[in-house]
Formats: sequence, C-alpha cells, structure tokens
Amino acid sequence: DVKVTQSSRYLVKRTGEKVFLECVQDMDHENMFWYRQDPGLGLRLIYFSYDVKMKEKGDIPEGYSVSREKKERFSLILESASTNQTSMYLCASSLSQVIYGYTFGSGTRLTVV
Amino acid sequence: AQSVTQLGSHVSVSEGALVLLRCNYSSSVPPYLFWYVQYPNQGLQLLLKYTSAATLVKGINGFEAEFKKSETSFHLTKPSAHMSDAAEYFCAVSDHGSSNTGKLIFGQGTTLQVKP
Repeated sequence: DVKVTQSSRYLVKRTGEKVFLECVQDMDHENMFWYRQDPGLGLRLIYFSYDVKMKEKGDIPEGYSVSREKKERFSLILESASTNQTSMYLCASSLSQVIYGYTFGSGTRLTVV
Repeated sequence: AQSVTQLGSHVSVSEGALVLLRCNYSSSVPPYLFWYVQYPNQGLQLLLKYTSAATLVKGINGFEAEFKKSETSFHLTKPSAHMSDAAEYFCAVSDHGSSNTGKLIFGQGTTLQVKP
C-alpha cells in the first residue's frame, strides 16, 4: 500500500514563527498536494506539484510556500505563522493520471498561538 | 470549471437504517468520481470510485454508489448503517480542465451521525 507520511500529528507554534510541514510518500507518485481543512469549508487546495521543483498555486496560496526538491518529499512552509492559519493540514499524493485518485496522509493539526 | 455539490452538511440516521449521501457534479463530459471517508483526526480514505466502467460501484465497508449521467449524480448508499460509519464523507470529481495534472475537486463534505 502507498503510504503518505506527515511528520507531525499535532503542532503548536507561536505567531510569527516560520513553520515547516513535511510530507513524504513512498510509491514514486508524480503529484503531491497540500490542503487545509476547516469546519464548514471542506478541503481547500493550497499548492500542488506535478514534478520535482515544479509547483502551482491552488485556491488559497497566500501566506504559504512549498518546496519539492525530491520526488518523494513535499514541504509546506508558513513564512510567518498567524493565528488564522490554525487548521488541519492534509498532504496527498497521486499518480499523474487522475483515474487513480489520491492517497492522503493522516494530517497535521496546527495551532498558532 | 468543474464543481461538485454535496447536499446536506449533516445527515443523521438510526443504526440499521439506510444511508444516503448525495453528490452532484457539473460537467458535460463524464468525469471520474470518488467518495472518500474521514474518521475523526485522520486523513481521507478512498471508499470507492467510478471510472466509466460499471455505473454501480461497490466499495469498502458495504458502501456503494451509482453514477447517473442524466442526473449528474453519484450518490453514496449503504443499506444498513453501523455505529462505526459515523464519519465525514467527501465526494470528489476529476478536474478535466487541468489536463494531465490529476487534480480532484472536492465537495464540502457531509458528516454522518449514526444514532443507537
């Protein structure tokens, strides 16, 4: 089975800190995604990457950046964390063809205080 | 652009009753369709998917969904709810506009409550 591993399940950071959320997949998937999930708002796409060093903005990229230096790893960076970035963050990966769907990690619940 | 609508943000059923979670999509081209389930404090797990083969798709945990092109729907059903089915359910549709990037568009989610 494909595994998508997010480095932390729970994270508490202070306002203004630079925060790194790490995601690693072990099945050579081309595509990787970062979503945030908030009650009543569903899943909102932050960034995605379809190849190493390639990235595209999703629906809510403001305040975030990403890095994909290796195929298996996709990092989400909060340049200066703010309280409105308190959320559940979900990483997903997939093969290039959408027919296969996504595999999700277990999520990181980030609290910014 | 493709979109997906889940009717009802909360659905409550009694244990043993029929589960029906509704999903409609907007596309003139039959898309690929997916249902995912999310248990508390976990990521999303694939329940089932439609990829233009059989219109009635069976998934895990006794769930199934029927693709109806004329109604642009892909509703999720289970004949008899179990307490362990309590979770959030997401419908997703392929975004044909993104060519080969494999993007899915997710609905807002439906929380299923199962009462004893």
